[in-house]
Amino acid sequence: EVQLVESGGGLVQPGGSLRLSCAASGFTVSNYYMSWVRQAPGKGLEWVSILYSSGTTYYADSVKGRFTISRDNSKNTLYLQMNSLRAEDTAVYYCARGRQQQLGWFDPWGQGTLVTVSS
Amino acid sequence: DIVMTQSPDSLAVSLGERATINCKSSQSVLYSSNNKNYLAWYQQKPGQPPKLLIYWASTRESGVPDRFSGSGSGTDFSLTISSLQAEDVAVYSCQQYYTPPLTFGGGTTVEIK
Repeated sequence: EVQLVESGGGLVQPGGSLRLSCAASGFTVSNYYMSWVRQAPGKGLEWVSILYSSGTTYYADSVKGRFTISRDNSKNTLYLQMNSLRAEDTAVYYCARGRQQQLGWFDPWGQGTLVTVSS
Repeated sequence: DIVMTQSPDSLAVSLGERATINCKSSQSVLYSSNNKNYLAWYQQKPGQPPKLLIYWASTRESGVPDRFSGSGSGTDFSLTISSLQAEDVAVYSCQQYYTPPLTFGGGTTVEIK
């Protein structure tokens, strides 16, 4: 069964850092385009970042320079390193699998991990 | 960036009636080389992650009931629920995957009238 399980969320002060993890099972992370998508409380979905199977990365302007997406092939896990966190980064963060070798839709999604940025 | 605009923000439909949600992109998401529209639709129920319903604008994901259908091309798209069921109460979002950033529409809440 294909599954994604996020972890690493929590309460952090403004300016702080967190690293989110997304453990994958049932497929190989490095063969797929993998993304992070977030959803602020009561708001819509906001795409955050994507890591191509080739290693190319893209970021939303709102997180560029502060967030870094990466993967550990040996652990079949996707990461999101979040630095210089702001109140507006408060959201549920989902990891999602894209397609192999090209941009596409997201399926499946993890259950999400909540990040709260507050003093 | 491609801006995705959904309408309406919410709609209330009687059980068994049709619900139609619109999604407009600020530029075409039709890739001319393969004649495919790079657009997906998702359903999200409270407390759950989004679930893929439709990709390539009109291809239903496996296991999705056939009352869900997608249509449109270029910049104008629709998701139709032909006969609303109680379990269809959710937020529906469109997403373009034509080019990064991979933008989503703001979401449409579907409720029972």
